[in-house]
Amino acid sequence: AQSVTQLDSQVPVFEEAPVELRCNYSSSVSVYLFWYVQYPNQGLQLLLKYLSGSTLVESINGFEAEFNKSQTSFHLRKPSVHISDTAEYFCAVSGRDDKIIFGKGTRLHILP
Amino acid sequence: DTGVSQDPRHKITKRGQNVTFRCDPISEHNRLYWYRQTLGQGPEFLTYFQNEAQLEKSRLLSDRFSAERPKGSFSTLEIQRTEQGDSAMYLCASSSQQYYEQYFGPGTRLTVT
Repeated sequence: AQSVTQLDSQVPVFEEAPVELRCNYSSSVSVYLFWYVQYPNQGLQLLLKYLSGSTLVESINGFEAEFNKSQTSFHLRKPSVHISDTAEYFCAVSGRDDKIIFGKGTRLHILP
Repeated sequence: DTGVSQDPRHKITKRGQNVTFRCDPISEHNRLYWYRQTLGQGPEFLTYFQNEAQLEKSRLLSDRFSAERPKGSFSTLEIQRTEQGDSAMYLCASSSQQYYEQYFGPGTRLTVT
């Protein structure tokens, strides 16, 4: 069975500071890894994904995540956050052709 | 807008009533998923279709829940004899067989009073 643990339920960070949202997963098979973002009063949007190849994946708005197989982690990072990054972030895992298993989410609070 | 659409966006019902939600996936997507999200939690998988075939159901999907995708296009999720514990956001997602990436609709928020 697959599972996802997001280690922080809330992360406060000052604007323009760096941030890391932590995610660990467990799986007995090869996995695909995702970060989804849910902005206030909006639906889930795919932020970035790891399917294969380079272990460092990037989004168009400056986030990046690194797949670390030995540590079974897929932490999300951004070097400088903006107020518009305020949202809930969900780490997720799936096998091919399979349902997605989500973590409980991390709420990112950007402080002025 | 060619994204995933869901109807209604909000539904308030009394305990014991039946409700039905609809999901229209992205037109070229043959896979359709239903998830449920409660406050403070991530979405939880309910069921999954490939074309019109329902391939997997979560144990969360009690016998009061039924989902259909009769022609491999839109899908419906029906909840019979609703309970207060059914109050949640019901999310639909779709994906294609070629590009593995699920796109989510805006959700239907169900409140059972």
